[in-house]
Amino acid sequence: GQQLNQSPQSMFIQEGEDVSMNCTSSSIFNTWLWYKQDPGEGPVLLIALYKAGELTSNGRLTAQFGITRKDSFLNISASIPSDVGIYFCAGHSSGSARQLTFGSGTQLTVLP
Amino acid sequence: DAGVIQSPRHEVTEMGQEVTLRCKPISGHNSLFWYRQTMMRGLELLIYFNNNVPIDDSGMPEDRFSAKMPNASFSTLKIQPSEPRDSAVYFCASSIRGETQYFGPGTRLLVL
Repeated sequence: GQQLNQSPQSMFIQEGEDVSMNCTSSSIFNTWLWYKQDPGEGPVLLIALYKAGELTSNGRLTAQFGITRKDSFLNISASIPSDVGIYFCAGHSSGSARQLTFGSGTQLTVLP
Repeated sequence: DAGVIQSPRHEVTEMGQEVTLRCKPISGHNSLFWYRQTMMRGLELLIYFNNNVPIDDSGMPEDRFSAKMPNASFSTLKIQPSEPRDSAVYFCASSIRGETQYFGPGTRLLVL
């Protein structure tokens, strides 16, 4: 089946630092989505990407749909304590229009 | 706007008991997904519906699990009989045509 490799698994950063995480796939994806999950809550959609090369921002968050359609990255600038959580990438491969494949998540810890 | 609504938020039951989880998707969304999240396996898709019809239930662990969607605004996931290994967080998500999925807050199930 489809697999997404998400890295890093975890990050410890100082408040104010920038963060970058990425996902790669062995197959082509038509959609890339980035979610954040806070403890005890469901994943919340941060950014959705629909075209290769697309670069989209949402406040301090920026995500890009890789040109090869096999990767995506998420950047967070000037991190703050409320950025703490687990970030998941997800995507639709060309063979599964509705089913999302999820990465294993990046656990982000922001130190004051 | 109301998001995806799930109930109960927490469920503690004894092995062998029947468990019913409920979901109300976002109004106007025609695709509904049930996921299970555990530390070991991450987010797993159990089943999804399109226009109230089950499309793919290959992720349902075994016959003890069943899901229904009697109308566009309600779905249930039932486990009968429940077992301790079913303990997990169960999420419902909905979308329009299966693209960007919006998750509910989840039901935390503990089977003793």
